[in-house]
Amino acid sequence: EVQLTESGGGLIQPGGSLRLSCAASGFSLSAYTMNWVRQAPGKGLEWISNIDTSSTSKYYADSVKGRFTISRDNTKNSLYLQMTTLRDDDTAIYYCARPNIVGASGAFDIWGQGAMVTVSS
Amino acid sequence: DIQMTQSPSSLSASVGDRVTITCQASQDISHYLNWYQQKPGKVPKLVIYDASNLETGVPSRFGGSGSGTNFIFTINSLQPEDVATYYCQQYDDVPYTFGQGTKLEIK
Repeated sequence: EVQLTESGGGLIQPGGSLRLSCAASGFSLSAYTMNWVRQAPGKGLEWISNIDTSSTSKYYADSVKGRFTISRDNTKNSLYLQMTTLRDDDTAIYYCARPNIVGASGAFDIWGQGAMVTVSS
Repeated sequence: DIQMTQSPSSLSASVGDRVTITCQASQDISHYLNWYQQKPGKVPKLVIYDASNLETGVPSRFGGSGSGTNFIFTINSLQPEDVATYYCQQYDDVPYTFGQGTKLEIK
């Protein structure tokens, strides 16, 4: 079964750091540009970052630029999101998402179950 | 950044009704427009990709049309299980912006 599984969420104090992981199963992560999307409680969806297959190109939303770093390890079939200088408004469910096109951008047809990150003192 | 304006923000309709949601992009995005369904407490699910293509396994009562800056999402013959929030999303350019969502309820 094609699946994405996030881990690493939790409660963190403002200013702290956290690393999310997204493990792929049932397919080779290395073939896909991968994305992170988040959703604050009761709010809409916000795309925050993506990374191409070779880690050459990485893009970020302005809201996380300079604080979050996306990376991947194709040998481990995994995607990561290193989050630093966390703020209250980073509180959200974080989803990893796979596009429906190999090696390019596309619609997100596979989503993980989400990892909850709560930033609070 | 490309802004996606979705309307209405909420909608109440009866079972069997035809429902229409619109999404307007702040610039030409060609056909790079997707629609997602998110039921309460669930993960978003792809419904329509590339403006008008029905995702595999999605009922044929769902449809999409449009290109450039104006897009329409349609549900023909609304069913109780269609209660959800629907989002449009452009992927013509990063950041891949979403519309603010349309919450669909049954009257």
